[in-house]
Amino acid sequence: DVKVTQSSRYLVKRTGEKVFLECVQDMDHENMFWYRQDPGLGLRLIYFSYDVKMKEKGDIPEGYSVSREKKERFSLILESASTNQTSMYLCASSSRTGGITGELFFGEGSRLTVL
Amino acid sequence: AQSVTQLDSQVPVFEEAPVELRCNYSSSVSVYLFWYVQYPNQGLQLLLKYLSGSTLVKGINGFEAEFNKSQTSFHLRKPSVHISDTAEYFCAVSAYNQGGKLIFGQGTELSVKP
Repeated sequence: DVKVTQSSRYLVKRTGEKVFLECVQDMDHENMFWYRQDPGLGLRLIYFSYDVKMKEKGDIPEGYSVSREKKERFSLILESASTNQTSMYLCASSSRTGGITGELFFGEGSRLTVL
Repeated sequence: AQSVTQLDSQVPVFEEAPVELRCNYSSSVSVYLFWYVQYPNQGLQLLLKYLSGSTLVKGINGFEAEFNKSQTSFHLRKPSVHISDTAEYFCAVSAYNQGGKLIFGQGTELSVKP
């Protein structure tokens, strides 16, 4: 089974802190994604990556950056956390074929609270 | 651009009753369609998908969905729900030329009561 592991399930940070959310997948998938989930808004795409060292902006990239130095790892960075970034963050991956059809495998999520 | 609308934010239903969760999409190009389920405190998992072929697709846990191109809909159905089906359900669309980027609906909370 594909496993997508997000290192922190729950985080509490203060406004202005730099926050790292880590995601690792173990199925050699080419594509990785970061989504943000908010009640009533569904999932919104922040950033995605089709290959190592590649990144592309999603629909809501402002206030975020990403890093993909290794194929299995995709990190989401909040340079200066703000209270409106309090949310659930979901990492996902897909194979190259799944990348065409949109079939994603998700981690369990990281719930971030910014005080 | 694509968009997805889930017409009901919450659906309460009694155990063993049938249920339909509604999903409409808009797109100027052909699409792939998905339903994902999220159980409490978990990530999303794929319930079923429409890629091509038969418009009636069957998924896990007895769910099925029908792709209706003329009505741009992809409604999810189950003839008899269980308490364990209580979860949030997301409809999603991926355009043929978008490299696997999924656009999600707002989600529907299915609450199954005894």
